[in-house]
Amino acid sequence: QVHLQESGPGLVKPSETLSLTCDVSGYSISNGYYWAWIRQAPGKGLEWLGTFYRDGGPYYNASLKSRLTLSADMPKNQLSLSLNSVTTADTALYFCARIWFGDSRYFDYWGQGTLVTVSS
Amino acid sequence: QSALTQPASVSGSPGQSITISCTGTRSDVGVFNYVSWYQHHPGETPKVIIYDVSQRPSGVSNRFSGSKSGNTASLTISGLQAEDEADYYCCSYAGTNSWVFGGGTKLTVL
Repeated sequence: QVHLQESGPGLVKPSETLSLTCDVSGYSISNGYYWAWIRQAPGKGLEWLGTFYRDGGPYYNASLKSRLTLSADMPKNQLSLSLNSVTTADTALYFCARIWFGDSRYFDYWGQGTLVTVSS
Repeated sequence: QSALTQPASVSGSPGQSITISCTGTRSDVGVFNYVSWYQHHPGETPKVIIYDVSQRPSGVSNRFSGSKSGNTASLTISGLQAEDEADYYCCSYAGTNSWVFGGGTKLTVL
């Protein structure tokens, strides 16, 4: 069973950089698959932020591309997200998820999410 | 890349059927058969209940079904149960390794 667990600072000040990690267990990310970051702002729907892929990309939502960096630490089996110049609009529940990408395409495993509040 | 359009809320009584619509464009729902639906009970991990428009993952009740016509996909839940009360999100692949989600629909079981 694949398990994903996000973690982060909880509170970030405006204009600073938000850094999150996603620990993956039950599957080695060095073996492949696509790995996504998704967020849900308060009272809003889900928003795909970007996708990390071992053999290409990363791929970013155009609306965030200039501020977002996705990476992975293979030995730690950990995904990372860095979002700079944050504003209150970046306050959200942030999820990491695995993408099943082949003849079928969907998000098959998700973490529970980590809440990030941007506030001074 | 605009969000897919879903009704904010739907409701139904136990045993009834409800349908949630998900409207996109010719660049996502209309062109790709990679529409998926997720059930999310707040505080828990989102769970895929439909993928590839109408496929059910192993273990998901056959009370959940999906379809698509043109730029609009639909999720139907039949025989509503109290445990179905949750938030439901549609999602479509939008090409070039990009994805778009819906705004979510809150299902209330009366």
